[in-house]
Amino acid sequence: QKEVEQDPGPLSVPEGAIVSLNCTYSNSAFQYFMWYRQYSRKGPELLMYTYSSGNKEDGRFTAQVDKSSKYISLFIRDSQPSDSATYLCAPGNQGAQKLVFGQGTRLTINP
Amino acid sequence: DGGITQSPKYLFRKEGQNVTLSCEQNLNHDAMYWYRQDPGQGLRLIYYSQIVNDFQKGDIAEGYSVSREKKESFPLTVTSAQKNPTAFYLCASSPGTSGTNEQFFGPGTRLTVL
Repeated sequence: QKEVEQDPGPLSVPEGAIVSLNCTYSNSAFQYFMWYRQYSRKGPELLMYTYSSGNKEDGRFTAQVDKSSKYISLFIRDSQPSDSATYLCAPGNQGAQKLVFGQGTRLTINP
Repeated sequence: DGGITQSPKYLFRKEGQNVTLSCEQNLNHDAMYWYRQDPGQGLRLIYYSQIVNDFQKGDIAEGYSVSREKKESFPLTVTSAQKNPTAFYLCASSPGTSGTNEQFFGPGTRLTVL
């Protein structure tokens, strides 16, 4: 079993839709959770970073962590064509100083 | 203007040749990382370094080598022993144990073996 599982998609939705991207993980030692956005042929950029269970909101983006279920989600409201990218979840723990990346979900927002 | 630079952007190599990918950061970060990304796949860790003159193998270190002689620089050599080197290579840095754990990425180097 992989430490982090993420549906690779592809996922295609119309502009304005609410998008839900999800990951599950197996390592209960993970303490912090990141979401990265990667445009084609570019390096990933950090989108959201959260430590605890619950929700964290930043503009149209909401990161949700459920440590009891080992389930993390990223919601995008009012999706825009510029949101079309690959989204990678990446949990980590303080001691290891490493992140474990999911496979990435390729998202397309259609105008 | 702080950030991470990688060079070259595209690199072509003949089979049997070693090549070195450059990674430089001016963020004063302690930790640096090298990842490999294959089409449709996530990032796999090759090597990482938390301080100067020290580095650790990641999940797929075979066929690669690194050095960390300066805080700002973490070059990656892809040796002829790497069986399938064609991939997108990403360098990242983070504040390390002295700070938060976010990793910041460079623009990547696309290596193609001819």
